[in-house]
Amino acid sequence: EADIYQTPRYLVIGTGKKITLECSQTMGHDKMYWYQQDPGMELHLIHYSYGVNSTEKGDLSSESTVSRIRTEHFPLTLESARPSHTSQYLCASSETLADGYTFGSGTRLTVV
Amino acid sequence: RKEVEQDPGPFNVPEGATVAFNCTYSNSASQSFFWYRQDCRKEPKLLMSVYSSGNEDGRFTAQLNRASQYISLLIRDSKLSDSATYLCVVAPRDSSYKLIFGSGTRLLVRP
Repeated sequence: EADIYQTPRYLVIGTGKKITLECSQTMGHDKMYWYQQDPGMELHLIHYSYGVNSTEKGDLSSESTVSRIRTEHFPLTLESARPSHTSQYLCASSETLADGYTFGSGTRLTVV
Repeated sequence: RKEVEQDPGPFNVPEGATVAFNCTYSNSASQSFFWYRQDCRKEPKLLMSVYSSGNEDGRFTAQLNRASQYISLLIRDSKLSDSATYLCVVAPRDSSYKLIFGSGTRLLVRP
């Protein structure tokens, strides 16, 4: 049973549109993460958060932005989508790293 | 050099075979270790944590060698459903905010 939810699962959108990918978790975890993954390729961390009002950029530069106004919610926004943003976006949360991450089901974004 | 290195495979084995994956990590101060499984176009899911004494979960056995800085995963009696990518994951002691993921080893189990 998933305790971390991502919506939408699939999104096809035109170039230049603004989009927000939603991520919510019910576990009360302080740490949350966004990863980008192309098919058959490795995970790349693009944003993370230690807790409310904390956001940091990850290892891979991304034009997206994130916010963390509530513990359970960590949305990712692209102000102007481009075909190069086509990818799978995975959200994860963690209480302590010793417990690992729990991932959401992901959002598969296609920008046409 | 990557912080966590894995043989990308693919490992192509028949049903019933035993297969082993290895992974090396560069940070000797790392403190937590995991194997995750990722099916095609799905999210990674925790398969098992890896403890210093080694641990087993059914057909899966994980071992940690801190001196040599490698982690292994052994799968016995492979099933078709074991076909997936297996990710080696490490939590470095000096990094308090993220796990380090290997690129993954792909396993194909054939009938």
